[in-house]
Amino acid sequence: SAVISQKPSRDICQRGTSLTIQCQVDSQVTMMFWYRQQPGQSLTLIATANQGSEATYESGFVIDKFPISRPNLTFSTLTVSNMSPEDSSIYLCSEGGGGTDTQYFGPGTRLTVL
Amino acid sequence: AQKITQTQPGMFVQEKEAVTLDCTYDTSDQSYGLFWYKQPSSGEMIFLIYQGSYDEQNATEGRYSLNFQKARKSANLVISASQLGDSAMYFCAMREVYGNNRLAFGKGNQVVVIP
Repeated sequence: SAVISQKPSRDICQRGTSLTIQCQVDSQVTMMFWYRQQPGQSLTLIATANQGSEATYESGFVIDKFPISRPNLTFSTLTVSNMSPEDSSIYLCSEGGGGTDTQYFGPGTRLTVL
Repeated sequence: AQKITQTQPGMFVQEKEAVTLDCTYDTSDQSYGLFWYKQPSSGEMIFLIYQGSYDEQNATEGRYSLNFQKARKSANLVISASQLGDSAMYFCAMREVYGNNRLAFGKGNQVVVIP
């Protein structure tokens, strides 16, 4: 199974600022994903991070708000831009090949926006 | 569109007892995978068990087993011999292989194990 790390593990930020979350996988993976989990809710897919091309965003999520980078097959970043208290969530990075592959998650980044 | 339903309210279970968490799903895809994850209060998502739609036998991983009833579109998780460390949220998820190929989650079940 892949080992995934995220930085930071948690942060408290002021509204209007931006935070970049890093995700590192210990092996090369085809697909990396970013999820958001709002308080008391389930996980919602933000986007798929594609190596060498732009991320693929799910409905309701836009690149200007959540820019994503994927410079290689082991690393990705998610930026939460111009934050508001509604962005307070756990953000989780994930990897998986799709199809019948198992999908593993990083430990998450717990973000609080004041 | 994928849909995963977990409707049980929060559950209390006695230590060393077994607990069953219900999950039903809706898909028109013939090839799909079903997953269960555990999320303790720390927030991490821990993979527990996987069942493929073409697997004839129910998946098992240690104290976790998946009761897969394809015709009823249910994939219930059974935790045997509950331990205090099993207290967590449990999420059922599904991925359609030929659909959008993305993991979609149910709303989760809260389990509290009491001594």
